[in-house]
Amino acid sequence: EIVLTQSPATLSLSPGERATLSCRASQSVSSYLAWYQQKPGQAPRLLIYDASNRATGIPPRFSGSGSGTDFTLAISSLEPDDFAVYYCQQRSNWPLTFGGGTKVEIK
Amino acid sequence: EVQLVESGGGLVQPGGSLRLSCAASGFTFSSYAMTWVRQAPGKGLEWVSSISSGGANTYYADSVKGRFTISRDNSKNTLYLQVNSLRAEDTAVYYCAKAPAGRYYFDYWGQGTLVTVSS
Repeated sequence: EIVLTQSPATLSLSPGERATLSCRASQSVSSYLAWYQQKPGQAPRLLIYDASNRATGIPPRFSGSGSGTDFTLAISSLEPDDFAVYYCQQRSNWPLTFGGGTKVEIK
Repeated sequence: EVQLVESGGGLVQPGGSLRLSCAASGFTFSSYAMTWVRQAPGKGLEWVSSISSGGANTYYADSVKGRFTISRDNSKNTLYLQVNSLRAEDTAVYYCAKAPAGRYYFDYWGQGTLVTVSS
């Protein structure tokens, strides 16, 4: 099973600041990594697929990069609506796995 | 508009069973793989099971293999998850999710149905 480790667990930032979230895989997942945003009481929302492709309707302040085992989700300038939990997910191998999540909270 | 609506959750005793359903609309259901993902209270996301568009291929997490069965009825645009031999650790919100073009990430999600396993 491919283990995805997200860091940091919590990121405390102010609106307007840049957020950088990390996802590290225990073995290569090529570019088969997605990122999701989840707010309390809501279903997850797809942000990025295949490492760097923004999903439909996702604003350009969200960007993904990386390949192999190291991936990054960047939010260029945090807006109030961006404070949430973010998960990565790999589709390279069965079983599919998610990272443990990074909570982006208001400082 | 793509819609996924789960139902069938509830309170069940350990060892009990439920059948979860996910009614799909707004897309050609029979063309897309589907998945169940769960989230225990206050915890992260856990992939549970996936099924290919035609239903021929199914995949399960080790934690549910042999107890849960995923299926679909493409004539009814509905996804199912039969959950048997339930344990306290199966308590979670169960989401159904659509996978685009056979690639197993998830572009649309339902609102979830809560399964609580408790005596």
